[in-house]
Amino acid sequence: EADIYQTPRYLVIGTGKKITLECSQTMGHDKMYWYQQDPGMELHLIHYSYGVNSTEKGDLSSESTVSRIRTEHFPLTLESARPSHTSQYLCASSELGQPQHFGDGTRLSIL
Amino acid sequence: GENVEQHPSTLSVQEGDSAVIKCTYSDSASNYFPWYKQELGKGPQLIIDIRSNVGEKKDQRIAVTLNKTAKHFSLHITETQPEDSAVYFCAAYDAGKSTFGDGTTLTVKP
Repeated sequence: EADIYQTPRYLVIGTGKKITLECSQTMGHDKMYWYQQDPGMELHLIHYSYGVNSTEKGDLSSESTVSRIRTEHFPLTLESARPSHTSQYLCASSELGQPQHFGDGTRLSIL
Repeated sequence: GENVEQHPSTLSVQEGDSAVIKCTYSDSASNYFPWYKQELGKGPQLIIDIRSNVGEKKDQRIAVTLNKTAKHFSLHITETQPEDSAVYFCAAYDAGKSTFGDGTTLTVKP
């Protein structure tokens, strides 16, 4: 019954390619987030947004970029993928003071 | 900024036993404390939460307690079942930002 959707679920791609991970939510939440997580490990916040045209870097340095042109859409882009980018990427959204709703993630493997 | 410590990092219990996971936080301004469960291949999902004006909250087999003075909160799962096996994350929320603990991998042995 997830209201936040991430595509693709899995991606295996070669070094140097440009990648965009998609995240959409249908709940009208203002706040959206991207986390990087190795399986079963801690969540590292890499980007967040308070609303349209707002983007901030998170606690973990990342070579990725994000955009927030529409409330429901928060894509993450890697201009030139490297093996060190191999990880799981989780998107989430929330209202202020409310719990975060997470997507099921994109498992990214860079060869 | 806020710092959340979560213990233990792994926990193994026998089916039917209780499991307790503890978190401490550093910022006394934090006022909302959700707990998430992450199953294999899925994103974390909220299972229970507590706000700073409440000391305890229960939902069937799970409960959360909060001690604001000591700045710690705990998740209690009673009568554990194999489907409780997952990674659990605590979080502390203040001023528009959530800080997560590092997670606890709970294994319930049948």
